[in-house]
Amino acid sequence: AQSVTQLGSHVSVSEGALVLLRCNYSSSVPPYLFWYVQYPNQGLQLLLKYTTGATLVKGINGFEAEFKKSETSFHLTKPSAHMSDAAEYFCAVSFSNDYKLSFGAGTTVTVRA
Amino acid sequence: DAEITQSPRHKITETGRQVTLACHQTWNHNNMFWYRQDLGHGLRLIHYSYGVQDTNKGEVSDGYSVSRSNTEDLPLTLESAASSQTSVYFCASGAYGTGELFFGEGSRLTVL
Repeated sequence: AQSVTQLGSHVSVSEGALVLLRCNYSSSVPPYLFWYVQYPNQGLQLLLKYTTGATLVKGINGFEAEFKKSETSFHLTKPSAHMSDAAEYFCAVSFSNDYKLSFGAGTTVTVRA
Repeated sequence: DAEITQSPRHKITETGRQVTLACHQTWNHNNMFWYRQDLGHGLRLIHYSYGVQDTNKGEVSDGYSVSRSNTEDLPLTLESAASSQTSVYFCASGAYGTGELFFGEGSRLTVL
């Protein structure tokens, strides 16, 4: 069975600083990988996804993630944090395009002025 | 614009009562899912459907049921609500080929 581990349940960054959220997965087959963002009292919104092809994936709002098969990782980064990036972020994985996403526990990002 | 809507957004009920949470999507997606979100657990899959008359159990399906009589709707029923089912419930839908799921805004259920 697949699993997703997000390292750090809470990350605090200064405005303008690098945002780095870590995600590792366990799988014996190539995964599809996703990052979703959840703003307070809202549903989840897709930030970016990796299915096949280029391992560096760019998403919305300046976020990007890199799939590293050797490290079974899919870390999310943004070079310069903005106050509007304060939210909860979820890493998710699925296999063979069956859309049964397995989610990590989530990482809450706060941005300090 | 296409959307996915959940109702009610908030509900308080008592232990033992039957509760139904509605999910309606206008994306015309074949795939629909119900997740529950609890602190420290992320989102866990309850039930899912790949099309009309198709339903499948997820990892936390005990005490829940779904039915799919048309493409647009996947209602989630709690047959006899328990305090352990207090949670925020999210419905999602997706089309074949993209891998992306679109989420509703959630239904917060409190079982007293």
